[in-house]
Amino acid sequence: AQTVTQSQPEMSVQEAETVTLSCTYDTSENNYYLFWYKQPPSRQMILVIRQEAYKQQNATENRFSVNFQKAAKSFSLKISDSQLGDTAMYFCAFMGTSGTYKYIFGTGTRLKVLA
Amino acid sequence: GAVVSQHPSWVICKSGTSVKIECRSLDFQATTMFWYRQFPKQSLMLMATSNEGSKATYEQGVEKDKFLINHASLTLSTLTVTSAHPEDSSFYICSASNLDRANTEAFFGQGTRLTVV
Repeated sequence: AQTVTQSQPEMSVQEAETVTLSCTYDTSENNYYLFWYKQPPSRQMILVIRQEAYKQQNATENRFSVNFQKAAKSFSLKISDSQLGDTAMYFCAFMGTSGTYKYIFGTGTRLKVLA
Repeated sequence: GAVVSQHPSWVICKSGTSVKIECRSLDFQATTMFWYRQFPKQSLMLMATSNEGSKATYEQGVEKDKFLINHASLTLSTLTVTSAHPEDSSFYICSASNLDRANTEAFFGQGTRLTVV
């Protein structure tokens, strides 16, 4: 069974600084997808970034980028130039491609951006 | 991204009554809808996966007779919490998608906070 682990329950960062959130996962599949979702205080889940396992190039979306290490089964999220609006829960998620397509979420990291 | 609307946003009900939560995909047809439960400061726990026109697939430990899921159309799925008890109080989130190798993003509703008194 696949598992997703986020070892940092809470983090804080000063506005305009850079922060990295960690995520590790376990799977026996070779082809899969990884995601970072943001859940702000409104509780609406928002996709931040996604990575396809067969792509070696790390995904980037504006201030958000990932460090995908397939062999190490690691998928960290880097937020550059942190903004107050980045304050939220961040969930790492895994989706395999064999069997039922569904997301498996990590336990989340609560990020607070400080003014 | 696509819009998923969940209704109601919050509901308070008396113990022993049933509550229905609706999940609608407003601008696309979703072959699959997922229902999650989220406890305070915790992750999303998948409760069940529903495909239009077929019975929902429940995750281990989720009581199918207590959490009734109906996916009558490609734009609507409902979750009914039957004979609700205070321990059923939680935040329930749905997501709608057409997940496959080409479509990997699921779209989430805004959630429903259920309080059973």
